[in-house]
Order: sequence, then C-alpha cells, then structure tokens
Amino acid sequence: KAGVTQTPRYLIKTRGQQVTLSCSPISGHRSVSWYQQTPGQGLQFLFEYFSETQRNKGNFPGRFSGRQFSNSRSEMNVSTLELGDSALYLCASSWGRTDQETQYFGPGTRLLVL
Amino acid sequence: GESVGLHLPTLSVQEGDNSIINCAYSNSASDYFIWYKQESGKGPQFIIDIRSNMDKRQGQRVTVLLNKTVKHLSLQIAATQPGDSAVYFCAEGGKAAGNKLTFGGGTRVLVKP
Repeated sequence: KAGVTQTPRYLIKTRGQQVTLSCSPISGHRSVSWYQQTPGQGLQFLFEYFSETQRNKGNFPGRFSGRQFSNSRSEMNVSTLELGDSALYLCASSWGRTDQETQYFGPGTRLLVL
Repeated sequence: GESVGLHLPTLSVQEGDNSIINCAYSNSASDYFIWYKQESGKGPQFIIDIRSNMDKRQGQRVTVLLNKTVKHLSLQIAATQPGDSAVYFCAEGGKAAGNKLTFGGGTRVLVKP
C-alpha cells in the first residue's frame, strides 16, 4: 500500500507570494492533518480535514488555509508569505473514525521564503 | 508534551546498549500517546502507540511505558543499532483533542559504533 505522498518536495518563494501544497493520503484514509515543523517551534498542528470539512484547527493566522477533495486528497495554501513561514510542512493521514488512531506522515514539503 | 524552543536534548548510546527516551506530556485529559522517529530529510515514522488504559506496551525491540500520575511517557529501545540514530518525538492526543496531536520537543539519539 502506498504511503502518504506530498508535492512538491521543495519550494522557494519570496515574501508576499502565495503557495499551495498538496497531500495524497493512504488509500482509504479520510482524515488529513497538516503540521508545520520549524527548529524554533517544533511540530505544530495547523488543521485537520475529514470528509471535505475542516474538523479541527490550530492556532495559526488566517493566511493558512486548506481544503479537502472528495477523493480525500488535501491542499493547504499560505497567502502573503512571510520569512517566518519557512518550514517543513507535513501532512498525516488516518482513517478518521476515532480519536485514538495512528497518523501516518508523508515526507513533507520544505518551503523556503526569501 | 509541550512544543518548546528547540535545543534538542541528545542521548548518546553505544551500539548494542539499551536506550531510554523520556517525555513529559502536558494535558491530563490526553488518552492516546504515540512515539515517532524522524530521520534527517524524512517525515516522522510511527514506532508505537499506547492508550491511557494501559501502563506498558511492547513492540519489536521497543517498549513504551506510561505513568499517568506524573504525566510521563518513556520509550525503551533494546539493543540499539546504528539505524536507530534519529530524532524521537512523543505526541499526545485522544478524545480531548479530536484528531490533533501535540508533539514534544524531541530527543536526538546518536548511536556510537
């Protein structure tokens, strides 16, 4: 069974631009969560989507948004990029049926904002 | 585990010895805990999980211990191998958090040959 895939793997943008990252979950998984990983703040939860609906949200500004499609694939968008948005963006998938499920992570998209 | 500013603590282990990685979690309402391993350039990889109705769970070469009284989690790796060199994260979640995981700051494990 294929794992979680994320595209692109690497991205360089400049301040003020916007970016869209994509995540394909493990087949059959309906929950997709997004996390930001930085050396200073560690791994922080952005949001979770289940059945095309945002089910949970972390403490990030509105510049960070996401969506999920009917095939469970998810995208996250960051508008008006800031230098501090440079990070590894990870998505994780799970079945989404209970609150005690293993989340499986993709390899991440490394975003550098110049 | 609270996500704190990261000077990662490092555990240096001789190959073949046992490793113990500790984690203090923050939310007494958390009832699900996971250990992940992250190698350089990769996403976190699931190692083992434990629910709050258990104190101990064993996997292949790994054991997780949960002490709810002091909100402490540990991961024991038996016969540590060079391939175990990585950063290890504990994460807490469960009913109180929906499907949101809160990660600890991580511990770097270096295995010396």
